[in-house]
Amino acid sequence: QKEVEQDPGPLSVPEGAIVSLNCTYSNSAFQYFMWYRQYSRKGPELLMYTYSSGNKEDGRFTAQVDKSSKYISLFIRDSQPSDSATYLCAFGQYNFNKFYFGSGTKLNVKP
Amino acid sequence: EAQVTQNPRYLITVTGKKLTVTCSQNMNHEYMSWYRQDPGLGLRQIYYSMNVEVTDKGDVPEGYKVSRKEKRNFPLILESPSPNQTSLYFCASSLGSGQPQHFGDGTRLSIL
Repeated sequence: QKEVEQDPGPLSVPEGAIVSLNCTYSNSAFQYFMWYRQYSRKGPELLMYTYSSGNKEDGRFTAQVDKSSKYISLFIRDSQPSDSATYLCAFGQYNFNKFYFGSGTKLNVKP
Repeated sequence: EAQVTQNPRYLITVTGKKLTVTCSQNMNHEYMSWYRQDPGLGLRQIYYSMNVEVTDKGDVPEGYKVSRKEKRNFPLILESPSPNQTSLYFCASSLGSGQPQHFGDGTRLSIL
């Protein structure tokens, strides 16, 4: 079983839609949960970072973590064409030096 | 401006010809890491470094070497590149292990 599973998409939505991106994981030792956004020909940039279950909101973005189900989500409200990118989930552990990334979900927001 | 700088951005070379990809960060970060990104496989960690002269293997270290002689620099060395090392490579840095990483813009390597 892979440690991280993420649907590759592509996911195509109209401008203004609410987008839901998800990852599941199998390692219960993961304590840090991150979402990165990657535009074409650029490196991943951090969107959200949390270490607790529940919701964390930042503008149009909400990260949700459910440790009991080993499931994390990223919600994008009022999606914009500029949100078109690949979204990567990522996981880390306290005092452990490796990070684990999902394979990314490609999102296309149509004007 | 806080950044991670990789060079070169693109390189086409031949099997067996040694190459080095440089990485430099200006944020005084202790932790640095190299990843390769392949379609359907996501980002896989090659090597990481906790601090100067402290390096360790990630998940896919075979065929790669690294060094950390200065805090800001973390070069990736391919002593004898092979076609299966054709990939998109990213360098990243962070304050410490478990902390969110800042990524460079990537180096696309093609080994013929």
